[in-house]
Amino acid sequence: AQTVTQSQPEMSVQEAETVTLSCTYDTSESDYYLFWYKQPPSRQMILVIRQEAYKQQNATENRFSVNFQKAAKSFSLKISDSQLGDAAMYFCALAEYGNKLVFGAGTILRVKS
Amino acid sequence: DTEVTQTPKHLVMGMTNKKSLKCEQHMGHRAMYWYKQKAKKPPELMFVYSYEKLSINESVPSRFSPECPNSSLLNLHLHALQPEDSALYLCASSQLPRGPYNEQFFGPGTRLTVL
Repeated sequence: AQTVTQSQPEMSVQEAETVTLSCTYDTSESDYYLFWYKQPPSRQMILVIRQEAYKQQNATENRFSVNFQKAAKSFSLKISDSQLGDAAMYFCALAEYGNKLVFGAGTILRVKS
Repeated sequence: DTEVTQTPKHLVMGMTNKKSLKCEQHMGHRAMYWYKQKAKKPPELMFVYSYEKLSINESVPSRFSPECPNSSLLNLHLHALQPEDSALYLCASSQLPRGPYNEQFFGPGTRLTVL
């Protein structure tokens, strides 16, 4: 069975600094997808970044990048130049080919001004 | 249009009421999902519709009844709910239920309170 573990319930970062959110996962499949979703307080969940398992290159979206270590089954999210609007709950999620998303427990990110 | 809309935003109902939640997308997606989310917890999958047919039911109690009238609409009919069913109900859609184009787009949710 696929599992996703986020070991950091809460993280804090100073505005303009860099923060890394951790995620590990387990799957027996070789073809799968990994996602980071952001859910601001009382607001919509949005996709931040995605990574296809067959791609060795780490995905990057503006200030957001991932460190995908397939052998270690690790998928961390790095947020550079943190902004107040980055404050949210961040969920790491895994989808095997059947597209059923499995979410981690989430990490609350607080951004200090 | 890259939006999933949900109505109503908030719903308060008694345990004997019947109500419905509505979800709509116009992205041409052929897979639609219902999730339940408790505060500070991840979403829990309830149902998946693939090409307007129910493909996954995660052992959800029968007081929740999903319906997919067409490829753009998804309803969740509620009847005889319990207070523990109070939660944020999220709808999502994805282009296809399988394969590479499977990232899910979420709606803003309906916050349900059962008295």
